[in-house]
This record gives sequence, C-alpha cells and structure tokens, in this order.
Amino acid sequence: GAGVSQSPSNKVTEKGKDVELRCDPISGHTALYWYRQSLGQGLEFLIYFQGNSAPDKSGLPSDRFSAERTGGSVSTLTIQRTQQEDSAVYLCASSLVGTRGGQNNEQFFGPGTRLTVL
Amino acid sequence: AQSVAQPEDQVNVAEGNPLTVKCTYSVSGNPYLFWYVQYPNRGLQFLLKYITGDNLVKGSYGFEAEFNKSQTSFHLKKPSALVSDSALYFCAVRDKAGGANNLFFGTGTRLTVIP
Repeated sequence: GAGVSQSPSNKVTEKGKDVELRCDPISGHTALYWYRQSLGQGLEFLIYFQGNSAPDKSGLPSDRFSAERTGGSVSTLTIQRTQQEDSAVYLCASSLVGTRGGQNNEQFFGPGTRLTVL
Repeated sequence: AQSVAQPEDQVNVAEGNPLTVKCTYSVSGNPYLFWYVQYPNRGLQFLLKYITGDNLVKGSYGFEAEFNKSQTSFHLKKPSALVSDSALYFCAVRDKAGGANNLFFGTGTRLTVIP
C-alpha cells in the first residue's frame, strides 16, 4: 500500500527565499509529524498535528517556520526567508492514534526532503 | 523531560557476529520505546517497539531488543549480522503518561557490518 510521500525530494534555494515542503500521510492516519534531521544530529521534532486539535508547535525553531494541514490530510511546511542553517533533511511521519492508554504511536516516515540553502 | 542517549556514534561488527546497538532513555513515567533504521537515501523504517509485556521484543529483519527498566536501557541486538544491516539506527522514546505525542530520538548510531 501507499506509504507517506513527500515532495520535492530535493530542494536547492537561495538564502532569503521562501520554500514549501509537502507531505502526504498514509490514508486514515490522523496524526502527522514534521521532523528535521541535520548533518551529524538526530531527529529534531518540529510540529505535530492530531485531527482537528490545535497543532503542537513546540518544536518550531523560529517564527520563520510554519505548517498547516488541510482537510486533515496533506500538510505543508513553510520556511520563510531561509537561512543556511535551515539546510537539512525534513522528514514527515504519520500514525494512527489510539485511545488514551492504548496508544502505541508507531510512526511511518516519508523519504524526506533534502533542503539546501545556498 | 524525555531524552534518549545512544552512546556510540559508530559500531563496527564482522559479518556473522552478533551485534548490539546501545540505547538508554529518560522519562518521568513508563516509556514507549522504538527502534528505527535509516538506509542510505531512504526514509526511516520502523524496526520494533516496546509497549508493555515481555521485555524481549522481536522485530523486523531478525532484530530484537530488550527492555531493562532498572538500567533504563533498550539495546538493539541481532545474533548474526549481515552486510545489508549496515545503516543508521535511531532509538526513540515517548512517555506514556505525557501529553506530547511526538517521539524523542537519539542522535543515531551508524552500524557498519564488515564482510
């Protein structure tokens, strides 16, 4: 079956430009996550969407970063006025979220978008 | 606060030998624990998880991990390594009692299996 898909797979941009990264989660998954993987570092949580609830934005590194999820499905991560330190692989994941106490939170990851800011 | 430590950036093992990739965690309550693998130019793939029950968890590709509550560890193991196991391995944790649903990942361990 179809997994999580992300586009573009690679994005090269100039410093100061805005970029949009897209994520298509697995159909039926109510939870969607964005992470950032920088060279030599682990995965850094950015933002989490669950159903119609307000997103958890606690991981966004600055106000240049924003994300939305339309219709409970596709999500777009936007980085405004990109900086060189934004260069990283941006990973999207989705999961089913069960009832409280029964959540196992197995996340399925997309292939990522490699962003390079020149 | 939740955190994960993978003390080894790199693990080298000969093909056919047993392998261990170490992970320790810190949560305020009881943990959900996960291992993911990332092959070159690929996304993360789920390997296995510990939710409750048996401390020894078996997962994909012959991997297993043992939850040790007293040592707060969740080391990944495989009895006989394959060259194709060479990849980047991430341990992750979530606090069962916490309100956050995101996972906290370690910095990853690069496993190289030498033919």
